[in-house]
Amino acid sequence: DAKTTQPPSMDCAEGRAANLPCNHSTISGNEYVYWYRQIHSQGPQYIIHGLKNNETNEMASLIITEDRKSSTLILPHATLRDTAVYYCIVRVANSGYALNFGKGTSLLVTP
Amino acid sequence: GAVVSQHPSRVICKSGTSVKIECRSLDFQATTMFWYRQFPKQSLMLMATSNEGSKATYEQGVEKDKFLINHASLTLSTLTVTSAHPEDSSFYICSARDGNGKNIQYFGAGTRLSVL
Repeated sequence: DAKTTQPPSMDCAEGRAANLPCNHSTISGNEYVYWYRQIHSQGPQYIIHGLKNNETNEMASLIITEDRKSSTLILPHATLRDTAVYYCIVRVANSGYALNFGKGTSLLVTP
Repeated sequence: GAVVSQHPSRVICKSGTSVKIECRSLDFQATTMFWYRQFPKQSLMLMATSNEGSKATYEQGVEKDKFLINHASLTLSTLTVTSAHPEDSSFYICSARDGNGKNIQYFGAGTRLSVL
């Protein structure tokens, strides 16, 4: 799986959009970008994934640059409950191997 | 999304005892399940990959005789920590891969093991 780089921490005011960046400059053509988050003392939660088109679901939006070397996860209206560690992971979609978690970005949403 | 149930959520045991943790995929069949361990302020570390009906594949440094994994059905995998010691105290998390199309890994809520 391609390596990803994320900032170690970010702050966001409640109600504002949280934009979490991820660099994956060595991504291969058949690798997807997955985002998970882990709220303190809980198991990771799947958020969204995409290949090259922008994706949106009820939790977030994923913006992938045209060259696919970076992406941004957007939480449109952050709440205090969005405080968590966010992980960006790149991998082949049909891989039977486990997800490898880096250090992620610790997002703190403040009142 | 799909649901993975992990039980118990917390266990406290004496040193030398064995502890079993169950992981169930509730609304999908999981031919592959994964077990992770997480120490405080660290990221998840993969311990082993469990395939239904076959032996688990352990990561380097993980003792297969200490961490027994059984994946007897498409919806259930168990991790048994045998003869637990205080250094085994950790947060154990299971995950199941939904092999239908999206290939998303779903995670259990985790088990906090404290060995006294």
